[in-house]
Amino acid sequence: SVLTQPPSVSAAPGQKVTISCSGSSSNIGSEYVSWYQQLPGTAPKLLIYEDNKRPSGIPDRFSGSKSGTSATLAIAGLQTGDEADYHCGAWDFSLNSVVFGGGTKLTVL
Amino acid sequence: QVQLQESGPALVKPSETLSLTCTVSNGSISSDSYFWSWIRQPAGKGLEWIGRVYASGSANYNPSLKSRVTISVDTSTRQFSLNLDSVTAADTAVYYCARLRGYGHHWFDPWGQGTLVTVSS
Repeated sequence: SVLTQPPSVSAAPGQKVTISCSGSSSNIGSEYVSWYQQLPGTAPKLLIYEDNKRPSGIPDRFSGSKSGTSATLAIAGLQTGDEADYHCGAWDFSLNSVVFGGGTKLTVL
Repeated sequence: QVQLQESGPALVKPSETLSLTCTVSNGSISSDSYFWSWIRQPAGKGLEWIGRVYASGSANYNPSLKSRVTISVDTSTRQFSLNLDSVTAADTAVYYCARLRGYGHHWFDPWGQGTLVTVSS
């Protein structure tokens, strides 16, 4: 994948976890990042758009940030229902293509 | 709320063409600022963007698939379609259609439920 995410992260209920997404100047460094939550057996769902904005209905426990060529998704107050795969995505102007990370599996212990 | 639904064969033979259709409901397919897109996900792997089409019919594709892909739109039926030629087992995946906010924004919302396409003889 053009964007790099850790394969897995884990934390206990109630804790906070962060998921990183690393790219380059042709994607994250100059374009908006979006994040998607994919619960088991379901389609991805928009979680964060334009780096740090939440769609209506997404709890403020979910937040996004970006610095340079890396973006971060933070999930506070973890719940067992947050167990899912999380994907980052961005436009890449050199490839003229949307690019994604490989996805990160979140386990709530 | 706009809703999307994929349809098409679940099984395609190697070397043949994979054809899927996405139907848009509860909204206009001709909305400004939005494109209509296809994304796929092989089992246990990440997402791969296939391409996008605007209501005018103008389309862009992932360079890695460009030689085999055609995405078209029919605004009269509120449908857009994917054709992927000369498929192999590597094209086996869940295929999603999604609305893409374009023009510098580039986020997908909503998504269809996805349809599994298996390439096998």
